[in-house]
Amino acid sequence: AQTVTQSQPEMSVQEAETVTLSCTYDTSESDYYLFWYKQPPSRQMILVIRQEAYKQQNATENRFSVNFQKAAKSFSLKISDSQLGDAAMYFCAYRSTAANSKLTFGKGITLSVRP
Amino acid sequence: DTEVTQTPKHLVMGMTNKKSLKCEQHMGHRAMYWYKQKAKKPPELMFVYSYEKLSINESVPSRFSPECPNSSLLNLHLHALQPEDSALYLCASSQDVTVMGSPLHFGNGTRLTVT
Repeated sequence: AQTVTQSQPEMSVQEAETVTLSCTYDTSESDYYLFWYKQPPSRQMILVIRQEAYKQQNATENRFSVNFQKAAKSFSLKISDSQLGDAAMYFCAYRSTAANSKLTFGKGITLSVRP
Repeated sequence: DTEVTQTPKHLVMGMTNKKSLKCEQHMGHRAMYWYKQKAKKPPELMFVYSYEKLSINESVPSRFSPECPNSSLLNLHLHALQPEDSALYLCASSQDVTVMGSPLHFGNGTRLTVT
């Protein structure tokens, strides 16, 4: 079974600075998808970024980018120019390409942004 | 703006009550999901509907009864709940359960309190 590990329960960053959220996963599969979701106090889970394992190029989405290290099974999220609105809980998630596969979430990390 | 709409936003019910949670999406997605989320924890999958048919039931107690009347609507009927069922209930949709790379789109959730 796949597992997703987010070892840091909380992090803090100064506004306008850069922060990196770590995520590792365990799988025996070669093809899969990785996601970062953000959940602010408003409660809605919002997709931040998606990475396809067969693509070596790291995904980017405006101020958000990932460092995908397939051999190390690592999928960290970098937030540049942090804004107050980035304060939220962030979940790393894994999904196999197998039929009926489920989204496996990490425990999440709470990010606070200091003004 | 959320593309997945959940009602009500908050619900307080007694252990003998019967209530329903509703979810609606108009993105043409053919997969819909119910998740349960406790505070500061990742969402836990409850049910998956694919093309209006129940495809996954994660051994959820029968006091939770899902229903998918059509491709845009998903209900969760609640009866004889326990206080430990108090949680945030999230609805999500995705393009198709066979498209593993298709991200889930979540609603804002219903905060349920069982007294």
